[in-house]
Amino acid sequence: GQNIDQPTEMTATEGAIVQINCTYQTSGFNGLFWYQQHAGEAPTFLSYNVLDGLEEKGRFSSFLSRSKGYSYLLLKELQMKDSASYLCAVIRGDYKLSFGAGTTVTVRA
Amino acid sequence: GAVVSQHPSRVICKSGTSVKIECRSLDFQATTMFWYRQFPKQSLMLMATSNEGSKATYEQGVEKDKFLINHASLTLSTLTVTSAHPEDSSFYICSAREEREIEQFFGPGTRLTVL
Repeated sequence: GQNIDQPTEMTATEGAIVQINCTYQTSGFNGLFWYQQHAGEAPTFLSYNVLDGLEEKGRFSSFLSRSKGYSYLLLKELQMKDSASYLCAVIRGDYKLSFGAGTTVTVRA
Repeated sequence: GAVVSQHPSRVICKSGTSVKIECRSLDFQATTMFWYRQFPKQSLMLMATSNEGSKATYEQGVEKDKFLINHASLTLSTLTVTSAHPEDSSFYICSAREEREIEQFFGPGTRLTVL
């Protein structure tokens, strides 16, 4: 079966940094996505990692370690609009996406 | 580019009726489309995968006779929830992928409420 774990909730202050961890065990691996999802809306793409290392894109960075089955999403200079659910998703060997349960991030003033 | 639309965005129906949801890729040819379901405070669960011109493949536990999927063209897939019941109330999201591409592009979702 597929197993993708991430924390349920995180709270941080505006301007701070938050790191969302994701561990996975899946049948095959073709990369890992991070998505942002606001309530009642579809997920929006944040990042894609297929090789080990850190990918930086503005205030958001994503890290992958394939040997450890581990990724994290780093959100810097948090803004109120960053309050949302963040989904870790793995592209499996059959090219289907398996999603984690999502991490709800609440940014407080 | 890479826009996927869904229609309707919201539907309320009576128990026992059927509901059709459309998913369209607006500016690319989607050789594969995926249908997901998301219950409140839960993640997206893949229901089925459809390839243009062939039968959909359903995930374990998803009734193919209840959730009819048609992918008749490279830009359109439809999901019909037959004889809907209150437990089918959920957020249904489609995504589309071009041939030889990894990334899936998501539609805006359809909120189904069955009374």
